[in-house]
Amino acid sequence: DAKTTQPPSMDCAEGRAANLPCNHSTISGNEYVYWYRQIHSQGPQYIIHGLKNNETNEMASLIITEDRKSSTLILPHATLRDTAVYYCIVRAPLSNFGNEKLTFGTGTRLTIIP
Amino acid sequence: SAVISQKPSRDICQRGTSLTIQCQVDSQVTMMFWYRQQPGQSLTLIATANQGSEATYESGFVIDKFPISRPNLTFSTLTVSNMSPEDSSIYLCSGGITRYEQYFGPGTRLTVT
Repeated sequence: DAKTTQPPSMDCAEGRAANLPCNHSTISGNEYVYWYRQIHSQGPQYIIHGLKNNETNEMASLIITEDRKSSTLILPHATLRDTAVYYCIVRAPLSNFGNEKLTFGTGTRLTIIP
Repeated sequence: SAVISQKPSRDICQRGTSLTIQCQVDSQVTMMFWYRQQPGQSLTLIATANQGSEATYESGFVIDKFPISRPNLTFSTLTVSNMSPEDSSIYLCSGGITRYEQYFGPGTRLTVT
């Protein structure tokens, strides 16, 4: 799996957009970019994933640069409940061979400020 | 999405004993995984639980210490054997719902005294 680099911590004001960056300069052609978050004392929660196009769902938007070497997760209107550790992971799609593992780095600790 | 449950949610165990953690998914999944999260740390993959065959362990984890079963496509167990205080962690199971999405259980908080 390609390695990712994220800032260790970020703050964002409540109601503003939270933009979390991730560098993945060694990503392979078949690897997707995944974002998960872990709220304190809970299991990680899937947020979104993408290959090369920008993606949006009810939780967030994912912007991937054209060269795919970096991406940004956007929480459009952050709330206090978005305070969590956010993990950016790159991985190929699952197959029956089981080689495609989600490898967690240290993530970004996002704190939403009231 | 899928709902993944784990039992027990937490336990306090004595050194030298073993604990079996159960993971149940509400739908069939292709892949199941077990992770460990030590206090203040990120998640570390222990093994991939293969249905009908032996689990695939990551470097640093062995079957004698962490035996895993996966009798069907919705259920798996992880046993933490001959526990020591260093095994105090949160243990999480995860299921690959589609080729792209993977969901996690709430975790089992284990304290070894």
